Amino acid sequence: GNSVTQMEGPVTLSEEAFLTINCTYTATGYPSLFWYVQYPGEGLQLLLKATKADDKGSNKGFEATYRKETTSFHLEKGSVQVSDSAVYFCALSGNTGGFKTIFGAGTRLFVKA
Amino acid sequence: EAGVTQFPSHSVIEKGQTVTLRCDPISGHDNLYWYRRVMGKEIKFLLHFVKESKQDESGMPNNRFLAERTGGTYSTLKVQPAELEDSGVYFCASSEAQGPGEKLFFGSGTQLSVL
Repeated sequence: GNSVTQMEGPVTLSEEAFLTINCTYTATGYPSLFWYVQYPGEGLQLLLKATKADDKGSNKGFEATYRKETTSFHLEKGSVQVSDSAVYFCALSGNTGGFKTIFGAGTRLFVKA
Repeated sequence: EAGVTQFPSHSVIEKGQTVTLRCDPISGHDNLYWYRRVMGKEIKFLLHFVKESKQDESGMPNNRFLAERTGGTYSTLKVQPAELEDSGVYFCASSEAQGPGEKLFFGSGTQLSVL
């Protein structure tokens, strides 16, 4: 079945450092890929998405490119801020086995001032 | 516009007791989903309603879990009797439509602790 694997955390970075959170997936067909973020005390919210191969999703300085050849959707940001401290979830939604969204285990990011 | 709301935010119960979680989706969202995250692991799908009908309940762990969405508005998830392994954060999400690229709107979750 469909699944998502993302790097374990926590990830601790200093402010203005470069961020990469790795995500790979297993799916039949052509799924859509997402990154959701959960800030402390809040629910998950969509950060960015890509719906087909080679698409790049971007938002708030974060980017991720849908790589079908490597089944990956790594999240990157060039310069993190303290306010980016949160838990980041990689997810996919496929067109086989229903449209339910499948999530990874989440990666907690701490950014130090 | 009000977001997805969940109640209670925290619940602590003893093994064998019953707990009912409630979710109010965004008004007009026909699709409602329940998810659970246990001990920092992946967020696991439980079930999906379209209006008042269960579209997919393949993730429900066992028959101690009962979800309802009478009238196609709010939903409840009842656990009876609760077991220790039911502890975790229960998330509700809603969406206007369903499809592979559809955005989900999440509530803040209910932290359930079974002692």
